Amino acid sequence: AQKITQTQPGMFVQEKEAVTLDCTYDTSDPSYGLFWYKQPSSGEMIFLIYQGSYDQQNATEGRYSLNFQKARKSANLVISASQLGDSAMYFCAMREGSTDKLIFGTGTRLQVFP
Amino acid sequence: DAGVIQSPRHEVTEMGQEVTLRCKPISGHDYLFWYRQTMMRGLELLIYFNNNVPIDDSGMPEDRFSAKMPNASFSTLKIQPSEPRDSAVYFCASKGSSNQPQHFGDGTRLSIL
Repeated sequence: AQKITQTQPGMFVQEKEAVTLDCTYDTSDPSYGLFWYKQPSSGEMIFLIYQGSYDQQNATEGRYSLNFQKARKSANLVISASQLGDSAMYFCAMREGSTDKLIFGTGTRLQVFP
Repeated sequence: DAGVIQSPRHEVTEMGQEVTLRCKPISGHDYLFWYRQTMMRGLELLIYFNNNVPIDDSGMPEDRFSAKMPNASFSTLKIQPSEPRDSAVYFCASKGSSNQPQHFGDGTRLSIL
């Protein structure tokens, strides 16, 4: 079974609008961490935001926020006020329990148009 | 602050040759990870180190691949002999403590002809 599922291979959004990128996860471990990374066309992997399973509040970092719904096992990334520079691949990843390994989803390609 | 530094950025070589990829983690980071990214398989963890000790190498595809971390500021991933199916982008990442995010280098784009 897939541990991390990103069902949207591609998304389009107009500049200045908000967009939600979906991520669902599968784990039976009560302790885990969820991460989002951005990979622009230049290829580097950029860390965006982190949510711990015991965190009471949804994580936010500037224009990025994580809509964490534990019961649904979802950790969707919300980008507000999209910019052209947000066009990139976005990866959701999970760290389970005490392991330091990250399991990545297949990614969502976001394209922001003027 | 300097990020994770990988070299070379690009490598093109013929099959059968030895390939060595290099990584310098962020200073003070105790963990170092090697990943491979391909269109078919996505981003896969190959091996990771904690305090220079290999902890999990279950992702290393076969004996042709080896990784070392002789000190806290340097790691290598070696492929010998290389094959065309090894063509991929190889990333190195490091992190400080267990709960911190991993920070990635810019990757090495490897092409085996």
